[in-house]
Amino acid sequence: QVQLVQSGAEVKKPGASVNISCKASGYSFPDHTMHWVRQAPGQGLEWMGQVGPKSDDTIYAQRFQGRVTMTRDTSINTVYMALSRLRSDDTAVYFCGRVIGYGLNLDYWGQGTPVTVSS
Amino acid sequence: QSALTQPPSASGSPGQSVTISCTGTSSDVGGYNYVSWYQQHPGKAPKLIIYEVNKRPSGVPDRFSGSKSGNTASLTVSGLQADDEADYYCASFAGSHNVFGTGTTVTVL
Repeated sequence: QVQLVQSGAEVKKPGASVNISCKASGYSFPDHTMHWVRQAPGQGLEWMGQVGPKSDDTIYAQRFQGRVTMTRDTSINTVYMALSRLRSDDTAVYFCGRVIGYGLNLDYWGQGTPVTVSS
Repeated sequence: QSALTQPPSASGSPGQSVTISCTGTSSDVGGYNYVSWYQQHPGKAPKLIIYEVNKRPSGVPDRFSGSKSGNTASLTVSGLQADDEADYYCASFAGSHNVFGTGTTVTVL
């Protein structure tokens, strides 16, 4: 069965960076683009970006450009999302998701990684 | 890259129907047939319930249906059940990016 397993919770200070992993299993990993979505406490979903079959095939939401890097390692079926220059409003749960078809159709999601940014 | 607009809340009694709107622009909802809908229960990851405007993933009951007219997409939940009480989000492809809606909390009275 398809599974996306993310790395554990993180606590960071303002200005630091965070790197979250998402390991996929149960399907052909190269066949699906992966997306990252975050959700601040009590808030809605926010699309951050996507990484295609190759690490240089990325699209980032405008508000994260320059601070986010999404990569994938096909040898271990894992995608990564790194966010730098963290601020307190980056405190959120970060999700990875597998897309099907065209559009933001995420049929499988990771369990979410809580990131807390606090001094 | 503004969020799509949804009503903050909607409600209905068991067995009734509720419809949620999702309003965007001609650059997102109106420009592509790539609107999806998600259901999210508290503390859980979202679940895809509609994609490409009106298609249901395997396992999603036909009580959930989607449609689109112009720049507004809609999700209808028929035969409301207690477990339908959740947050619902629309999402749309927008050419160079993707965007979620603001979210709607559905309450089953």
